[in-house]
This record gives sequence, structure tokens and C-alpha cells, in this order.
Amino acid sequence: SQTIHQWPATLVQPVGSPLSLECTVEGTSNPNLYWYRQAAGRGLQLLFYSVGIGQISSEVPQNLSASRPQDRQFILSSKKLLLSDSGFYLCAWRRDSYEQYFGPGTRLTVT
Amino acid sequence: AQTVTQSQPEMSVQEAETVTLSCTYDTSESNYYLFWYKQPPSRQMILVIRQEAYKQQNATENRFSVNFQKAAKSFSLKISDSQLGDTAMYFCAFMAPWGTSGTYKYIFGTGTRLKVLA
Repeated sequence: SQTIHQWPATLVQPVGSPLSLECTVEGTSNPNLYWYRQAAGRGLQLLFYSVGIGQISSEVPQNLSASRPQDRQFILSSKKLLLSDSGFYLCAWRRDSYEQYFGPGTRLTVT
Repeated sequence: AQTVTQSQPEMSVQEAETVTLSCTYDTSESNYYLFWYKQPPSRQMILVIRQEAYKQQNATENRFSVNFQKAAKSFSLKISDSQLGDTAMYFCAFMAPWGTSGTYKYIFGTGTRLKVLA
């Protein structure tokens, strides 16, 4: 069966520090991968999606970036965090079916 | 632009009762899918039910069912025999082909926080 992992689960970082969040999927190959941010009182905002290794598309301009160095690995990064980057970050994957499957998420607090 | 609207920020229901969560969407696509996701306090997103737009029959999954009105662009979720474990945030989501990228775009509503009361 397929599983999706995210780490860390919780992160507290100062403004201006770098960020690296990792997402990995097991039990499937060539998945579509997605990064979302969930801010308080809001739905899920799509940040990036990837259909293959090295293929990244950005939905919303921001100081975040994403990379997909391996088929089942998706990384969300920032060189300098802003207060507004605080939120709950979710990684999701899909392949043959139409529904997305989500990881457990990372709670990021920028202080 | 494609949008999903959930007009009920919070709702409550007595245990064993029935509750309906509303969702409307806007799209010019003819081929799309709709979903309801549940996010309990653990914040793990869980798929509750899905509906293909080309199907007229409303989807049902155990105590969960939808009322899909394509012309009205409405997609409500009915929870029967509510249980304490149904307490969660519920998100309505819309999925449609995303340009020529070969993937699909998902748009989520802002959610309805449901509390089931003992």
C-alpha cells in the first residue's frame, strides 16, 4: 500500500532563517505531487505541483521554492522565512485515481 | 476563475442526528470531480466521498451522502446518524484538468467546522 511521509512534524524558525520541508511517498511510482499551505481560517492554498523529476510548477508567487530531486521526494524550501510563511503545510500525491492523498502535515511557526 | 464556496463556517449537530453541509462551486468545465475531505483535530486530511460530474446518481459512502445539483453547481454533504468522531473540519474540493500540464488542479473551499454534541 502507498504511504506518504512529511517531516518535520513541527518547526519553529526565526524570521530570515532558511526552510526545508520534506515529503516522500512510498508504494507508488511517478506520482503527481503537490504542496499546499493551510492558514488559519482558510482553505488549502496550492503552492507547487510536480508531474515528474525536476518538473515544478508554481501556482502562487512567493519566497518559497520546491524541488523534486527523486521520483518520490518533494522538498519545499525558502532562503529567508517571513512571518507570513507561518502555517500548516501539507504534501499530497495522486496517480491513477482522481483523489489526492495527503501527508500528516508540518506545522511551521515563524517567530 | 474556478471557485469553491462553503458558506457555513461552523455548525453543530446532536449525536445521532443528521446534518447537511453546503458547498457551491463555479466553473466552465464540463468534466470535473468533486470531493469532500474531513480534517479531524489531528489535521490529517481524509477523503470522505467523491462525485464524478458526469454521473447523475448521488454518491454514497455509509453514513455520508451527497446531493449533487450540477445545473445549480451545488454539492452538499449529508451526514446521517452523526457520531462524536465526525467532529472535524470539512472541506469541499473541486478537481478539473489543469491546462495542458497533464495533471489536475484542485481547488478547496474554506471549510466548515462541524462539532457533534453528546
